[in-house]
Amino acid sequence: SQQGEEDPQALSIQEGENATMNCSYKTSINNLQWYRQNSGRGLVHLILIRSNEREKHSGRLRVTLDTSKKSSSLLITASRAADTASYFCATLMDTGRRALTFGSGTRLQVQP
Amino acid sequence: NAGVTQTPKFQVLKTGQSMTLQCAQDMNHNSMYWYRQDPGMGLRLIYYSASEGTTDKGEVPNGYNVSRLNKREFSLRLESAAPSQTSVYFCASSEAGLGQGTWEQYFGPGTRLTVT
Repeated sequence: SQQGEEDPQALSIQEGENATMNCSYKTSINNLQWYRQNSGRGLVHLILIRSNEREKHSGRLRVTLDTSKKSSSLLITASRAADTASYFCATLMDTGRRALTFGSGTRLQVQP
Repeated sequence: NAGVTQTPKFQVLKTGQSMTLQCAQDMNHNSMYWYRQDPGMGLRLIYYSASEGTTDKGEVPNGYNVSRLNKREFSLRLESAAPSQTSVYFCASSEAGLGQGTWEQYFGPGTRLTVT
């Protein structure tokens, strides 16, 4: 089963609004990452947050991590039509397999 | 610097045929990965290679084999294709391996495979 699960599955907002996506996971992690996938393309890495970090910023992106609740959120501020894409969280477990486990994704539609 | 390249981009197979998907990276990365993505779903790990000479099974390895030919190349083989293997296949690489490095992954453009 997927380690990470995103919520909501789909989100539609107007340009200029903020978009928030959530990710929950099941086991102890080394780090959590967010990726973007434009339609018909490969995934692009957005941001990585380590298990000992609580918040991280990159441009219009803000990621939070709550290891006690095993959850993370991705906030995109002042969204643009170009932000329309699917967003995936991925976790690297603390032990065991040295590979990421991806969630099922949130499809974000930003209306111009 | 091409990043991660995959060939072919599209492929149609009949049930029972075999084929090899090719992947290469030019970033001197240690780890390489093969995923499949089915419609409306996230990526599922098929196989990965944490370093040259090693390969390990992921979540859905049945029906597939892999070869880490050298540090640059990681191929995925379907010995006897089945309709359930219709999917989009992505190769990825990351600097990290058995030792240090960053774990962010770089993805290829994907191979769209249809098995009839």
